[in-house]
Amino acid sequence: DTAVSQTPKYLVTQMGNDKSIKCEQNLGHDTMYWYKQDSKKFLKIMFSYNNKELIINETVPNRFSPKSPDKAHLNLHINSLELGDSAVYFCASSQDPQGPVANYGYTFGSGTRLTVV
Amino acid sequence: SQKIEQNSEALNIQEGKTATLTCNYTNYSPAYLQWYRQDPGRGPVFLLLIRENEKEKRKERLKVTFDTTLKQSLFHITASQPADSATYLCALGTTGGFKTIFGAGTRLFVKA
Repeated sequence: DTAVSQTPKYLVTQMGNDKSIKCEQNLGHDTMYWYKQDSKKFLKIMFSYNNKELIINETVPNRFSPKSPDKAHLNLHINSLELGDSAVYFCASSQDPQGPVANYGYTFGSGTRLTVV
Repeated sequence: SQKIEQNSEALNIQEGKTATLTCNYTNYSPAYLQWYRQDPGRGPVFLLLIRENEKEKRKERLKVTFDTTLKQSLFHITASQPADSATYLCALGTTGGFKTIFGAGTRLFVKA
């Protein structure tokens, strides 16, 4: 049983297209996140949702829109894809609604490698 | 601006030795610091969390220290094994925040 699962694992698409990445967690966690890992390997937070409510929205272009239909799912939709959007996108979840202060940290999915050509 | 620095150069050590990785930060007052392991093509996996009022934490062959005066954490793997080869990320967070900031990681190679 995969704790945090993302689909698809790989996504190759042309500039200007719209695409979605799906994420589901079966851990019963209240908080879910989207992180972007660029070519220099930095993980940068994009969004955080707690019980379906958006609580962090970093300086991410409006083309990126998260949606949380329930607390087990957090999807990421990207409009008008650009070359600079190419990266690995990670979904994560945590148990503590105040962030991973407990001894469990974040649980990450295996990532979606997005390549925009 | 807040910055986390980890050795960008890979660390190569011999099996059985202790690996020591460094995490330095500036312009930040974290409530806790975490260490993660990331293998190629996989997501980071949580290893240890240490709070600002803790000096040291251990878990099996892992040891983490946290010096808020030096603004530094050291991550040790004792009796290292080739299976420990991976990238290790440190991450900082504040109480009441939902945001954790990650370093770029240090790649560790353990040779048999």
